[in-house]
Amino acid sequence: KAGVTQTPRYLIKTRGQQVTLSCSPISGHRSVSWYQQTPGQGLQFLFEYFSETQRNKGNFPGRFSGRQFSNSRSEMNVSTLELGDSALYLCASLLSTGNTEAFFGQGTRLTVV
Amino acid sequence: EDQVTQSPEALRLQEGESSSLNCSYTVSGLRGLFWYRQDPGKGPEFLFTLYSAGEEKEKERLKATLTKKESFLHITAPKPEDSATYLCAVRMNYGGSQGNLIFGKGTKLSVKP
Repeated sequence: KAGVTQTPRYLIKTRGQQVTLSCSPISGHRSVSWYQQTPGQGLQFLFEYFSETQRNKGNFPGRFSGRQFSNSRSEMNVSTLELGDSALYLCASLLSTGNTEAFFGQGTRLTVV
Repeated sequence: EDQVTQSPEALRLQEGESSSLNCSYTVSGLRGLFWYRQDPGKGPEFLFTLYSAGEEKEKERLKATLTKKESFLHITAPKPEDSATYLCAVRMNYGGSQGNLIFGKGTKLSVKP
């Protein structure tokens, strides 16, 4: 059974650029959540998607956005990158309903220079 | 404010020396408490879910317990391969959605041979 796939694994971008990260959830899972992990703040919730709809959003600026496609794959976009956006971005895959476990991908390491 | 606090921040053990990690939480409407293990540069790996006070789960050398205000992760006779950061997360009731996971900062465990 394939796990959660995140691409790319590593990215280096320049301040002011934008970036798109991709996440393919576990087959049959319809909910995807995104988290940002930094040494200082730990893991912080960005947003949650289910059936192509954003169901929940964390306390991040509007530069952070996301979407989900009909095949449950999800992308997140960060525009006008800042140095402080350097982090490990993690995608979590969940079954469609119920209080279920979140399974994480390996993450995308974004470095903004 | 809802929050999750893990202690200690770091723990160094000798191989075979049992100990416990603590996760205390102040949230309303707890729907579940989750333990994860994270190795450097990787995404969190799911370990346990606990739903109600008094519940216990075991897996190999790990045992997780839950009370109304905290959870413990007991590690019995640890081995060097148990070295990792252990993360605790809680999920609250949130209008029927999966909500988001609120993570603690983690306990970094080092087990020396």
